[in-house]
Amino acid sequence: QVQLVESGGGVVQPGRSLRISCVASGFNFSDYGMHWVRQAPGKGLEWVADISYDGSKKFYPDSVKGRLTVSRDNSKNTLYLQMDSLRDSDTAVYYCAKGMLWESWGQGTLVTVSS
Amino acid sequence: DVVMTQSPLSLPVALGQPASISCRSSQSLVYSDGYTYLHWFQQRPGQSPRRLIYKVSNWDSGVPDRFSGSGSGTNFTLKISRVEAEDVGVYYCMQATHWPPTFGQGTKVEIK
Repeated sequence: QVQLVESGGGVVQPGRSLRISCVASGFNFSDYGMHWVRQAPGKGLEWVADISYDGSKKFYPDSVKGRLTVSRDNSKNTLYLQMDSLRDSDTAVYYCAKGMLWESWGQGTLVTVSS
Repeated sequence: DVVMTQSPLSLPVALGQPASISCRSSQSLVYSDGYTYLHWFQQRPGQSPRRLIYKVSNWDSGVPDRFSGSGSGTNFTLKISRVEAEDVGVYYCMQATHWPPTFGQGTKVEIK
């Protein structure tokens, strides 16, 4: 069955960087576009990055463009989100999700930006 | 960006009673291929979102048939025919027809 397992979250100071990961299993990872979505504490869902199946196309909302970078390593079945110049407002649970129909989601990893 | 507006935002329902959640989009969600990329997600307390319904009315595997999705164009509805205790949580609609993908604010379903 499809599994998406995020990791790498933690507490980080404002202005610092963090990279989180999502390891995929149970499907042919290299056939699917992937997404990152975040959820601030007590809030709704916000899309933050998309990457095509081969990594050639990447998309971001204006709110994170230039600070968050999505990438993937299809040989390792792994999706990444590099987060730079972190702000308090980036504090959230970050989920990865699979495919153009958003059919599967991971359990999330919590990123806390705090001094 | 396409704005997704859900109502109500809070929905207390007695066990065994029906529930209905509305989702309206600021523009038509019909894509050029004829499909409508409107999906519904359930987020139980402490859990990650789980897709329930895709492309307006298609059930995901394992989703009870008391859930149903309907609608077209800009107006969509998620219905629960008889609410059970395990249905407590927040429900989100989401559109993936137009870039960027956008979510509704969420509707919190609780037992009255």
